[in-house]
Amino acid sequence: QQQVKQSPQSLIVQKGGISIINCAYENTAFDYFPWYQQFPGKGPALLIAIRPDVSEKKEGRFTISFNKSAKQFSLHIMDSQPGDSATYFCAAHTGNQFYFGTGTSLTVIP
Amino acid sequence: SQTIHQWPATLVQPVGSPLSLECTVEGTSNPNLYWYRQAAGRGLQLLFYSVGIGQISSEVPQNLSASRPQDRQFILSSKKLLLSDSGFYLCAWRHGGRHTFGSGTRLTVV
Repeated sequence: QQQVKQSPQSLIVQKGGISIINCAYENTAFDYFPWYQQFPGKGPALLIAIRPDVSEKKEGRFTISFNKSAKQFSLHIMDSQPGDSATYFCAAHTGNQFYFGTGTSLTVIP
Repeated sequence: SQTIHQWPATLVQPVGSPLSLECTVEGTSNPNLYWYRQAAGRGLQLLFYSVGIGQISSEVPQNLSASRPQDRQFILSSKKLLLSDSGFYLCAWRHGGRHTFGSGTRLTVV
């Protein structure tokens, strides 16, 4: 059973546009929600993360919106750039375990 | 600062051959360590995690095994590789609610 559901599977955005990736979860024991960015042939790298007691976190062009009651969180990439083209994973943490979404392949067209 | 090393970067092995992938962490003690596998274009599948020397938790029954002979060393092994073992293998350590990943090993079983 997929503990964290991520959508869309792929996303194509024009340069300068907003990229939005959504994730949903069921387990209320999750206590931390990181997002990872992965370029081809590389390991995922932490992009931004949020705790469930915060509704929004912004770092530069990247924003996480968190809706605890709906058990949903999303990544917004403002002013998307070709260099943002990568695969993005949402994740949820509890105890020693991490649960990852299936990933979103983002392509930003110049 | 903490760093994680993983090697080799790429590996081509014949079916039935043994496997040993090594991961080491620097700059921290008693880290929680993880092995993931990522199939092409897919998400992250947790294989093993370890909270201490000699302590291994297996998430997926399969052809692989893991060992933790030292505090900051985590080894992924197989006695006889299968074609289905091909993939991108990632080591990671946990700090708080987030992972830091190694650079990965691309394993191709032929």
